[in-house]
Amino acid sequence: NAGVTQTPKFQVLKTGQSMTLQCAQDMNHEYMSWYRQDPGMGLRLIHYSVGAGITDQGEVPNGYNVSRSTTEDFPLRLLSAAPSQTSVYFCASRTGSFQVTFGSGTRLTVV
Amino acid sequence: DQQVKQNSPSLSVQEGRISILNCDYTNSMFDYFLWYKKYPAEGPTFLISISSIKDKNEDGRFTVFLNKSAKHLSLHIVPSQPGDSAVYFCAPNQGGSEKLVFGKGTKLTVNP
Repeated sequence: NAGVTQTPKFQVLKTGQSMTLQCAQDMNHEYMSWYRQDPGMGLRLIHYSVGAGITDQGEVPNGYNVSRSTTEDFPLRLLSAAPSQTSVYFCASRTGSFQVTFGSGTRLTVV
Repeated sequence: DQQVKQNSPSLSVQEGRISILNCDYTNSMFDYFLWYKKYPAEGPTFLISISSIKDKNEDGRFTVFLNKSAKHLSLHIVPSQPGDSAVYFCAPNQGGSEKLVFGKGTKLTVNP
């Protein structure tokens, strides 16, 4: 099992550009989520999904969209990148327990 | 307003000694508490958890203690090993929601 796979690992965007961070898991987990981590901060929840077709907002959802068309995939879309979205993004998945499995992260810089 | 505070940004201990990492929270509705470990350039990995109905949970070298009245939990690592050097996050949960609330983390360095 690959676990949770995130692509790309690094990305530089210009202000106003859009892009999609990809996330895939092969563990048949129902629950998937996106977090961001800023320097000196803990992880903050952006969006989450409790199953295919069901998504909801987390703590910091503004500027991001998600969809969950399959159990395996949970892409995060930045509609119009801003410097404040410079961060490290982590995708995560879990089963019924709270032992969340995280991906290795995408480091995004918006200039 | 921080619901979860890890007041020590860093901690340095000698190999073989005990490491104690602390976490304070303000939300009395938190009922499940997790600790994650994070190495540089990797995602966090689950370490140990405790339910609010317990005051102690042990897994090998790792023990988590919960003091609900003080809204305080601590992670003990005995004996500490150089491979334990990482950032440790406390992450409480309320009512089984998807919203884990992470502290800012404590960077542990275990010196050989």
